Amino acid sequence: QSALTQPASVSGSPGQSITISCIGTSSDVGGYNYVSWYQQLPDKAPRLMIYDVSNRPSGVSSRFSGSRSGNTASLTISGLQAEDEADYYCSSYTSRSTQVFGGGTKLTVL
Amino acid sequence: EVQLVESGGGLVKPGGSLRLSCAASGFTFSSYSMSWVRQAPGKGLEWVSSITTNGAYIYYADSVKGRFTISRDNAKNSLFLQMNSLRAEDTAVYYCASLPLDRYFDFWGQGTLVTVSS
Repeated sequence: QSALTQPASVSGSPGQSITISCIGTSSDVGGYNYVSWYQQLPDKAPRLMIYDVSNRPSGVSSRFSGSRSGNTASLTISGLQAEDEADYYCSSYTSRSTQVFGGGTKLTVL
Repeated sequence: EVQLVESGGGLVKPGGSLRLSCAASGFTFSSYSMSWVRQAPGKGLEWVSSITTNGAYIYYADSVKGRFTISRDNAKNSLFLQMNSLRAEDTAVYYCASLPLDRYFDFWGQGTLVTVSS
């Protein structure tokens, strides 16, 4: 099970938009509508931010959005705020009925 | 309020065993698939194992297959992970997470630290 591919880091200034990519294969990201995204603050448990590619759980800001094109999923954060600084992980269901995570992306708000 | 509380972590020697528990409350535990996810110090998240609602289907990451066993007790709203033949590379914070319809991890516990060292 190879991990999904994410950039190690991204950065942006307050108010800007950033996008984090998550590259998989047709056996995971591209094959199912079961891509999710998680935010992890330092020394905290992960928090679900996006599920089923583009759906937001109750309580998650509308500044967070998800999409997918082929085998690549993306998380976009608009109107960047200092509190968004965290690690972000994508995850997908796979053809083996397992789950796979991306390597994680550290978001820095400049 | 949904709560997942892990316990059972600690320091164990290579080759040793440990049993993790996760106590669930605030939701209908028996209606959810459940999972264990781990995070080595300074590293990313790694899915470890999942179990369906009645335990009929169980899945493991290749890195733990044959050494770890996931189980659940729906009557006690509890999830377990029996870890045998532990290795240094199993050192991590282990999280319990609910996995509705195997699609995403919606609720997470606070994690329990497992350290494998001589």
